[in-house]
Amino acid sequence: KQEVTQIPAALSVPEGENLVLNCSFTDSAIYNLQWFRQDPGKGLTSLLLIQSSQREQTSGRLNASLDKSSGRSTLYIAASQPGDSATYLCAVNPHTGFQKLVFGTGTRLLVSP
Amino acid sequence: SQTIHQWPATLVQPVGSPLSLECTVEGTSNPNLYWYRQAAGRGLQLLFYSVGIGQISSEVPQNLSASRPQDRQFILSSKKLLLSDSGFYLCAWSPRQAEAFFGQGTRLTVV
Repeated sequence: KQEVTQIPAALSVPEGENLVLNCSFTDSAIYNLQWFRQDPGKGLTSLLLIQSSQREQTSGRLNASLDKSSGRSTLYIAASQPGDSATYLCAVNPHTGFQKLVFGTGTRLLVSP
Repeated sequence: SQTIHQWPATLVQPVGSPLSLECTVEGTSNPNLYWYRQAAGRGLQLLFYSVGIGQISSEVPQNLSASRPQDRQFILSSKKLLLSDSGFYLCAWSPRQAEAFFGQGTRLTVV
């Protein structure tokens, strides 16, 4: 059974810092991995999707890497801003054709001005 | 562009009452559709997914059911709610073999 773990559970940093969020999964047989952002009481916003054949994806100040063989992904946020404060969720999809995502419990990020 | 609508945003229902949550997707055809639940202090769990009209797959045994009466409409239902049905319900869609997009969620409180 696939299990996804995110470390740390919570992170507090001052504005401007670069930071790394970690995601690990137990079964390396994944089709893709997706990073999401969730603001309190809101739905999920997709940040980055990495296919199993890819090593990384970038969008603006965000960079996500994937090491499928070791069961790890990292989300790098450059020059953090207070608006980045949210919960970040990692999810893996073990299936082709569907997005039957298995989620981690998230990292709650607080960026202070 | 594609958008996903989910309503209501919040709902308070007594134990034993029925439930109907609706989700619609615009700007695409034949999407995969999903219902997830996020319980307090726990991660998101996939409840149902659908690859086409009338085709529903359940991931976990529970008090809920899902239906897809139209290509871009997905409904989550219950005949009699339990306290344990409380949670944050999220509808999602994905193109084939691509990323998932989520709605804004429904906060359900069963009292």
